[in-house]
Amino acid sequence: EPEVTQTPSHQVTQMGQEVILRCVPISNHLYFYWYRQILGQKVEFLVSFYNNEISEKSEIFDDQFSVERPDGSNFTLKIRSTKLEDSAMYFCASSEFNTDLYGYTFGSGTRLTVV
Amino acid sequence: AQTVTQSQPEMSVQEAETVTLSCTYDTSESDYYLFWYKQPPSRQMILVIRQEAYKQQNATENRFSVNFQKAAKSFSLKISDSQLGDAAMYFCAYRSSSSGTYKYIFGTGTRLKVLA
Repeated sequence: EPEVTQTPSHQVTQMGQEVILRCVPISNHLYFYWYRQILGQKVEFLVSFYNNEISEKSEIFDDQFSVERPDGSNFTLKIRSTKLEDSAMYFCASSEFNTDLYGYTFGSGTRLTVV
Repeated sequence: AQTVTQSQPEMSVQEAETVTLSCTYDTSESDYYLFWYKQPPSRQMILVIRQEAYKQQNATENRFSVNFQKAAKSFSLKISDSQLGDAAMYFCAYRSSSSGTYKYIFGTGTRLKVLA
């Protein structure tokens, strides 16, 4: 069964540092997403990406965040200057189409801890 | 803006018994999709079941079924013959059918414990 792979599974970073979270979506998928979940809170949409550009983003996804697909296989989320409140579980997901016949395929997540 | 509410942070069920997880949502749209996702500990979320709002018939996938009440904006998940492997966090999610939007709106989740 194809999987969405996220690395690392856990990252600890100093406040103010840049962090890059990596995801390898399923190879024939065209739509990519990042979500996050602050401990004890709901899973929140950050951004969707299609055809090498952002197709939708939430108000959480401010100038401190960026995404790219640098090499056709990886899909990365960069946080330029991390804040304590960026501590959360970050989930990558991909889908073949923009319809929901099968839903998204999610990765296992990266737990980001900002200290 | 749409919202999704799961009012049960945690539920327990005896193995082989039936449990129902609640989900309500708020929207002004008439067409949309609803989902239940399961997240086992330290594992990725996987799709359990989906429902299109225009379909009156409740979706069923093996031991999993939903009770979709569109007027009440309720979308509960029933798990029959519960198994130890059903223990997980369950998330209810909403997605608009409007073109140009792909995001899910999730509830806060319900942790299901299955007791042997």
